[in-house]
Amino acid sequence: SQQGEEDPQALSIQEGENATMNCSYKTSINNLQWYRQNSGRGLVHLILIRSNEREKHSGRLRVTLDTSKKSSSLLITASRAADTASYFCATDSLNRDDKIIFGKGTRLHILP
Amino acid sequence: DTAVSQTPKYLVTQMGNDKSIKCEQNLGHDTMYWYKQDSKKFLKIMFSYNNKELIINETVPNRFSPKSPDKAHLNLHINSLELGDSAVYFCASSLGSPLHFGNGTRLTVT
Repeated sequence: SQQGEEDPQALSIQEGENATMNCSYKTSINNLQWYRQNSGRGLVHLILIRSNEREKHSGRLRVTLDTSKKSSSLLITASRAADTASYFCATDSLNRDDKIIFGKGTRLHILP
Repeated sequence: DTAVSQTPKYLVTQMGNDKSIKCEQNLGHDTMYWYKQDSKKFLKIMFSYNNKELIINETVPNRFSPKSPDKAHLNLHINSLELGDSAVYFCASSLGSPLHFGNGTRLTVT
């Protein structure tokens, strides 16, 4: 069954603005990851946050994790045209069955 | 050098045919996966192999048969293709987390 759910499903913002995407999941996790998928390409790993971490930064990316609410957010600051892509959260469950489950993704479109 | 490579990139075939997709990784990872992405971009895990051993086999029709000749290769063979098999199939590999994906094989069944 599907683990993660992102919202919004689609997001259009002006270049230079910040983009925030949210992810909710159902079961206890070992870690949560965010991936980006450009059109016609495979997914690329962006950032991983462990269940005992609350916030993590990488360049213009900021990820938060709230295990009590089973939710995470991905913030992209000062967006650029090249950030146009689909963004997926993925969870690695505690039962360590090596199964990484993806959400449905958020389609982000940066307007020039 | 491509880390995870899949062939072919595009595959168009008729219903009832049998086809294979190949995947190779040069990252030295011990786990490889097949994911299916449908037209709504939903990504669903199909299989996972660790050191040539099947460890995840989701609810996938037995027309789909993965084969791992060594830990750097994981191929997917599909028998008696159906219209609903049309999708993009992604191979991935990992050493724990995160996953490294290939660029996908777009399968179209007509």
